[in-house]
Amino acid sequence: QVQLQEAGPGLVKPSETLSLTCTVSGYSISSGYYWGWIRQPPGKGLEWIGSIYHSGGTEYNPSLKSRVTISVDTSKNQFSLKLSSVTAADTAVYYCARDDPWYFDLWGRGTLVTVSS
Amino acid sequence: QSALTQPRSVSGSPGQSVTISCTGTSSDVGGYNYVSWYQQHPGKAPKLMIYDVSKRPSGVPDRFSGSKSGNTASLTISGLQADDEADYYCCSYAGSPRVFGGGTKLTVL
Repeated sequence: QVQLQEAGPGLVKPSETLSLTCTVSGYSISSGYYWGWIRQPPGKGLEWIGSIYHSGGTEYNPSLKSRVTISVDTSKNQFSLKLSSVTAADTAVYYCARDDPWYFDLWGRGTLVTVSS
Repeated sequence: QSALTQPRSVSGSPGQSVTISCTGTSSDVGGYNYVSWYQQHPGKAPKLMIYDVSKRPSGVPDRFSGSKSGNTASLTISGLQADDEADYYCCSYAGSPRVFGGGTKLTVL
């Protein structure tokens, strides 16, 4: 079955860039769908960060757009998130998900990223 | 765009029905039939329960149903079970952005 797995540093310093990858197994990203990133600060709700189409087109949350880059590497069957100039407010569990669209039908288990010096 | 508005909490006894509302605007919930609902147990990833307002993915019990009227979508859970106790989030397409609700904690008494 299709599975998604996030990977990346669990600790990032303020003002630096947060980088995460999502590896997809059981399905070839190049075959279709959007692929998205969603985050959840501790004890708070979900926030959509952005999504990328398999061919590379992107859509971003307007409130994060200036700091976000999502890319896809079909050769590795991965897509990635970069969030620049992070602050403590970016501390969250980051999920990758398949964006059908416009609903998220498959999710990774999530990875906690803490922004702290 | 602003987050969709959900009640912070709802509760019900086993066997009863509860409804969770999700209020947006004509730019999101009211403008598209692309509302989805997610169930999240503590420490777990969200799980898709309803998509396209009222469709259920394979494997989701028919006790879960969705509807929409104007700018407000609703999730109804009938025949409440203990395992239904979780956080529930709505999400709507908003003409490119996807917008989530703030979440509702369902307590099964």
